[in-house]
Amino acid sequence: QQQVKQSPQSLIVQKGGISIINCAYENTAFDYFPWYQQFPGKGPALLIAIRPDVSEKKEGRFTISFNKSAKQFSLHIMDSQPGDSATYFCAAGGSNDYKLSFGAGTTVTVRA
Amino acid sequence: NAGVMQNPRHLVRRRGQEARLRCSPMKGHSHVYWYRQLPEEGLKFMVYLQKENIIDESGMPKERFSAEFPKEGPSILRIQQVVRGDSAAYFCASSLEYSGTEAFFGQGTRLTVV
Repeated sequence: QQQVKQSPQSLIVQKGGISIINCAYENTAFDYFPWYQQFPGKGPALLIAIRPDVSEKKEGRFTISFNKSAKQFSLHIMDSQPGDSATYFCAAGGSNDYKLSFGAGTTVTVRA
Repeated sequence: NAGVMQNPRHLVRRRGQEARLRCSPMKGHSHVYWYRQLPEEGLKFMVYLQKENIIDESGMPKERFSAEFPKEGPSILRIQQVVRGDSAAYFCASSLEYSGTEAFFGQGTRLTVV
């Protein structure tokens, strides 16, 4: 079964707008939650990651919000730019686990 | 410092042929992971290897698929007697320490079975 559920499947946002992608997980052993950005024909690149000891982490225009009790986390892309157009994957893993469980991905299109 | 290198980038095989995918991890990395990405889906874990050892192959189909990471040279993912359903992007990742969480991905090999 899919351990990480991601939504929406795709979204379109105007330049300067906010893109929001949500993920939910079941396995309470997960304690590492990265987001990957993937451009067509390229491999996933680590964008930002969070651990459960904080509820929010911000790096530039990218922010992860984490809700441990709800077992949910989300990615916010502020001031979205056309160069942000890509597929974004959330993932989850454990400190003592080498496997990452990935969401199905969200294709973000930023219109100029 | 070069990243994770995968080759070939694109591979076309006829049904029944063998496919060999290569992965050279980042310098100094001794942990390699293979993931498969089907169209419109996320990445699915296949196998985790350290030098000369398969640590976990729980995500690999039990038939036709094998992986190795020899003492010298790249890691190899081998698919025998390919079928159309094997068409996918195969990604390799490597990490310095024991933890797939801090892994860096290569650009993938896109396998097309015709």
